[in-house]
Amino acid sequence: DAGVTQSPTHLIKTRGQHVTLRCSPISGHKSVSWYQQVLGQGPQFIFQYYEKEERGRGNFPDRFSARQFPNYSSELNVNALLLGDSALYLCASSFIQGNNSPLHFGNGTRLTVT
Amino acid sequence: AQSVSQHNHHVILSEAASLELGCNYSYGGTVNLFWYVQYPGQHLQLLLKYFSGDPLVKGIKGFEAEFIKSKFSFNLRKPSVQWSDTAEYFCAVFSSGGSYIPTFGRGTSLIVHP
Repeated sequence: DAGVTQSPTHLIKTRGQHVTLRCSPISGHKSVSWYQQVLGQGPQFIFQYYEKEERGRGNFPDRFSARQFPNYSSELNVNALLLGDSALYLCASSFIQGNNSPLHFGNGTRLTVT
Repeated sequence: AQSVSQHNHHVILSEAASLELGCNYSYGGTVNLFWYVQYPGQHLQLLLKYFSGDPLVKGIKGFEAEFIKSKFSFNLRKPSVQWSDTAEYFCAVFSSGGSYIPTFGRGTSLIVHP
């Protein structure tokens, strides 16, 4: 079985630009969540989507948005990029929304903002 | 808001040494607790989890963790580490019920010398 796939693996953007990151969950998983991991820190929760609806949101500005498609894949969009947005962005999928459904992580997208 | 503290940021051990990584959380309600591991060059993966019942839970590769509710702790242990246990370890707390906001600790980097 294919795991969670994220694209692109690496990305370099300039301040002020916008970026779209993509995630395909494990087949059969209906929940996707997004995390930002800054060097030396643990993953910080951004969004969770289940059945195409936002079910949870972390403490991130409105420049961050996401959506989930009918095939359960997901996009994370970040507008007006700042240098501080440079990080590894992780996507995780789970079978159901519940808190006891283990997360399966992708390898992440490394975003560098210059 | 819930928070997770991992007190050991860097741990260096020799093979066969015993391991204990600390994890404390702050949250007044019911929680689900996880340890995730990230081996070099790989994605985050679940090591073990606690939802309810026996507070001593066993995970993969000989790891175990004990939930002590009175201490708000969920420490990870292994009696005898191997070189292949070299990895980054993350404790995570998911609040049970209410909104979906998972919180990860900042991680502990474990290096095991052969």
